Order: sequence, then C-alpha cells, then structure tokens
Amino acid sequence: TQLLEQSPQFLSIQEGENLTVYCNSSSVFSSLQWYRQEPGEGPVLLVTVVTGGEVKKLKRLTFQFGDARKDSSLHITAAQPGDTGLYLCAGGHTGANNLFFGTGTRLTVIP
Amino acid sequence: EAQVTQNPRYLITVTGKKLTVTCSQNMNHEYMSWYRQDPGLGLRQIYYSMNVEVTDKGDVPEGYKVSRKEKRNFPLILESPSPNQTSLYFCASSFIWSPELIYEQYFGPGTRLTVT
Repeated sequence: TQLLEQSPQFLSIQEGENLTVYCNSSSVFSSLQWYRQEPGEGPVLLVTVVTGGEVKKLKRLTFQFGDARKDSSLHITAAQPGDTGLYLCAGGHTGANNLFFGTGTRLTVIP
Repeated sequence: EAQVTQNPRYLITVTGKKLTVTCSQNMNHEYMSWYRQDPGLGLRQIYYSMNVEVTDKGDVPEGYKVSRKEKRNFPLILESPSPNQTSLYFCASSFIWSPELIYEQYFGPGTRLTVT
C-alpha cells in the first residue's frame, strides 16, 4: 500500500481566513487528485494534476503538485462555510484504476 | 444527469445473512470500483472491473464478491457478512483521460452497512 499522509487531520477556522492542506507521500505518482466529501455523500472530484510543479486554480482553491510528484497542497483563500467538508487527496499511476487515498483533512469553516 | 446510484443507502443485518448492494452508472464508463471507508483508514478499494465480465481484486477483497454482467451495473455481494465488514461503502465509475490513462472517479452516495 502506498501511503498518502494528509495534514492537518482536523482544521477549524473562521470565515474569511486562508488555509493550506498538505498531502505527502514517499512514492511518486503519475497524477494527484483532490476530492471533497460532505456528510452523507460520496467524494466529489475537484481537480487532477499530472505534471510536477503544476498549479491549478478553481475559484478560491489553488492546487499544486510537487516538483517530484510525491506531494501536493491545497490552498483556500477567504474560506467560506460552504467549504466545510472532508478533503481527500488520491494518488494514481498511469494506466492503473486503483487510486491510493489519504485519510483526509476535515475542514470546518465557522461563520 | 450523470450519476452513480447505490441501493440501499442504509442496511442493518446479522452475521451470515447474504446481502447485495447494487450500483448503477449512466455515464457509459467501462471501469467501475467498490471502496470501503473506515475511520483512520481512508478509502480502500475492494474490487474493480475493467469491463463486462472482467473483474479483479483490489486492496481488501476478502469476504466480498462482485459481478459485471452489464456495463452499467456492478453489484457488491457479501455471501456471509461479519461484523468487521461494518463500514461505509462507495461504488465508483471512472472517466479515463487519454492518452495519459488517468482515472478520475465518480462516486455514488454511499451505503452504510452495519453487521451485528
């Protein structure tokens, strides 16, 4: 099993604050995906990054893939209560259906 | 609307009583998977299917069976459930990027199973 460690595990912040969530591994991945999961629902794909150093933006969310493709970060600017949820990173290899998921960061944004 | 559906959403059963959790997708995806999600362990793949009649084991296949007789359906079967199979189960179908062959998962809403 290729372990993906996420930090922090829990994060509680006030609305309007910025935050960064980290996803680290000792393994190299071909791609790194980020999902958000809300209570009672399945994870929903936010982004896929495939190139070392790649940065993608989704409104107030910025995703970066590490140069060595072993780590990734998710930065949220001016967090909103609607950002509350469990954020999961998942590493994949080219041609492989199996994704290796991190254990997640549970974010709570307080109005 | 593109979606993955699972039934039932909640199930409480007793040890040894066979059960099936159904999964269906309307996106014409060839690849489908089953995951279980447990606190502190994250999402772990149980089985996957690359196409009709083609299935293979994931990371935690013991105690589970699957079948893929139609492209849209991928049921998960627990022949003799045990309490350690109490978990939250997700079915997923995959969109595949070409040419990189990167799999993006689309998850169903989950089935919470309790085995007493």
